[in-house]
Amino acid sequence: EAQLLESGGGLVQPGESLRLSCTASGFTFSTSSMSWVRQAPGKGLEWVSGIGGSGDGISYADFVRGRFTISRDNSKNTLYLQMDSLRADDTALYYCVPNWYCGYWGQGTLITVSS
Amino acid sequence: DIVMTQSPDSLAVSLGERATINCKSSQSLLSSSNNKNYLAWYQQKPGQPPKLLFYWASTRESGVPDRFSASGSGADFTLTISSLQTEDVAVYYCQQYYSYLTFGGGTKVEIK
Repeated sequence: EAQLLESGGGLVQPGESLRLSCTASGFTFSTSSMSWVRQAPGKGLEWVSGIGGSGDGISYADFVRGRFTISRDNSKNTLYLQMDSLRADDTALYYCVPNWYCGYWGQGTLITVSS
Repeated sequence: DIVMTQSPDSLAVSLGERATINCKSSQSLLSSSNNKNYLAWYQQKPGQPPKLLFYWASTRESGVPDRFSASGSGADFTLTISSLQTEDVAVYYCQQYYSYLTFGGGTKVEIK
């Protein structure tokens, strides 16, 4: 059974950094293009960044470009999101999902940016 | 970037009545290589992650009740709940996976 487990969230102050991780199991992670998606409290789903299976094909939403960096370690079946210069409007639940339809969302990891 | 537009933003339907949600994409999601539409539908209830309902625009995920149906091709898609039940109260999202991912703004379905 495919599973995704996000971690690394927490409460940070504006301008600080955080690194999210997503550990995948139950499917061939190394050939799966992956993305981070976020959901602010009471709001809809928003694509943040994506990466190809071999680490190529990286893309970012305009609102995080230059502040966030996506990466992956296929030997660990893990996807990362380095988040720098965090802002209050980055407060959200962050999910990792394949760049496809997804029937096995994790519970997400909550980032709260507040002073 | 592909923009997904859902309508309406919310709708209230009586129990047992039909609910229809529309989703339009800014470009065609139909691939000429495999003749498939790269469009999925999700249901999200409070405090839960999204649940996949349909993929390839109209392929029902295992376990999804058959009162749910989905149709459409190209840039226009529809999700229909034929007979609304209490447990169907949720927010519904369309999602394109033709080029990375984009989600519609969501449609909140309530009981009238």
